[in-house]
Parts: sequence; structure tokens; C-alpha cells
Amino acid sequence: KQEVTQIPAALSVPEGENLVLNCSFTDSAIYNLQWFRQDPGKGLTSLLLIQSSQREQTSGRLNASLDKSSGRSTLYIAASQPGDSATYLCAVPISSGSARQLTFGSGTQLTVLP
Amino acid sequence: NAGVTQTPKFRVLKTGQSMTLLCAQDMNHEYMYWYRQDPGMGLRLIHYSVGEGTTAKGEVPDGYNVSRLKKQNFLLGLESAAPSQTSVYFCASSQRGRGAGQETQYFGPGTRLLVL
Repeated sequence: KQEVTQIPAALSVPEGENLVLNCSFTDSAIYNLQWFRQDPGKGLTSLLLIQSSQREQTSGRLNASLDKSSGRSTLYIAASQPGDSATYLCAVPISSGSARQLTFGSGTQLTVLP
Repeated sequence: NAGVTQTPKFRVLKTGQSMTLLCAQDMNHEYMYWYRQDPGMGLRLIHYSVGEGTTAKGEVPDGYNVSRLKKQNFLLGLESAAPSQTSVYFCASSQRGRGAGQETQYFGPGTRLLVL
């Protein structure tokens, strides 16, 4: 069974700092990995989707990398801002035969201090 | 486009009562999903649908039923609510991509359910 772990559970940084969020998964036979953002009391917003054939994806100040062989992904946020404060979740398909069924990590709660 | 909407936003039930959560999407997506999120945990898949008239079990289906009579709607039913079903429920949808693994899921705002 696929298991997803995110470390740390919470992170607090001063504004302007670059930071890295970590995600690890146990079954490397994945179609893709997705990073989501969740604001308090809100639904999830997709940030980046990395297909299994890709090593990284970039969107603005966000860069996500994927290392299937080691079962790891990182989300790099450059020049953090208070508006980046949210919970960040990573998700991968439950199994190699179920590309659309996702299993999620428990998330990293990020606070960017002004 | 409204995207994915969920009704109601919040509900309190007594143990044993039944209710239906409604999810609607206006993006003409083929796939729809129901998740639950509990404190300190990620989302867990309850049921999903790959098209109108089809449903399948996810990771935690016990105590729930679903129906997809129309492509744009996905209903989640609790026949006899239990305190363990207190949670935040999220609906999501995705479009058929060129291949598996290329589909982003779009989420609704969630329904908070409290079972006393």
C-alpha cells in the first residue's frame, strides 16, 4: 500500500527566506506526483503536477522536483511571502494500477512571518 | 465557471440520521471523487466515479454510498451517521487526459459534518 509522508509537519520562516518542503512515498511505481495548497477552511488548489517521466516542474516562485528511485519529492519556494502561508500537501496515485486514485500526505503547515 | 461546488457547507447530525452531500461541477469532467479529511491527516478517498452511471470504492468506503446519475453531479450518502464520520468532506473532479497521470484534480470548498 502506498504511504506518503511529509516532513516537517509545521514550518515557520521569516519573509523573504527560501524554503524546501519534503514529501516521501513508499511505492516508486507512480504515474505522477502532485503538490496542492490548502488555505484554512478552504479546499485544495493544485500547484504543480510532475509526471513520472519528468524530474521537475516550475511555476513562478515554486519549483517541484521528483526522484522516483528514492521515493522523494521536494517543493522549493523562493523568496517566501506572508501570502504563502498555508498547508501544502503532496499526493501520489494509490497504486500503479490506479492512476486517478490519490493518496495524500498529512501536509506541512507553513507560516511566513512578515 | 463556478468550478466544483458542494452543498451544504456545514451540517450537524445526530447518530443514526441520514443525509446526502451534493457535489456539482460545470467543467464537463469525466471523473469525480469524494474524500474525507480528518485532523492531522491527509485526505482519504471514499468513492470515485469514472463516468456517468459508474461508481467505485476508494480507500475508506464503509458507511457511505454514492451515485452519479448525471455527469455533472456526484452524491455522497450516509445512511446511518456515526460519530466516526465527523469530518470535512471534499469533492473533486478531473478531466480525461491524454494518458494516465496527466490529470489535475480540482477541489470543492468542502462540507463540514459533525455527528453527535
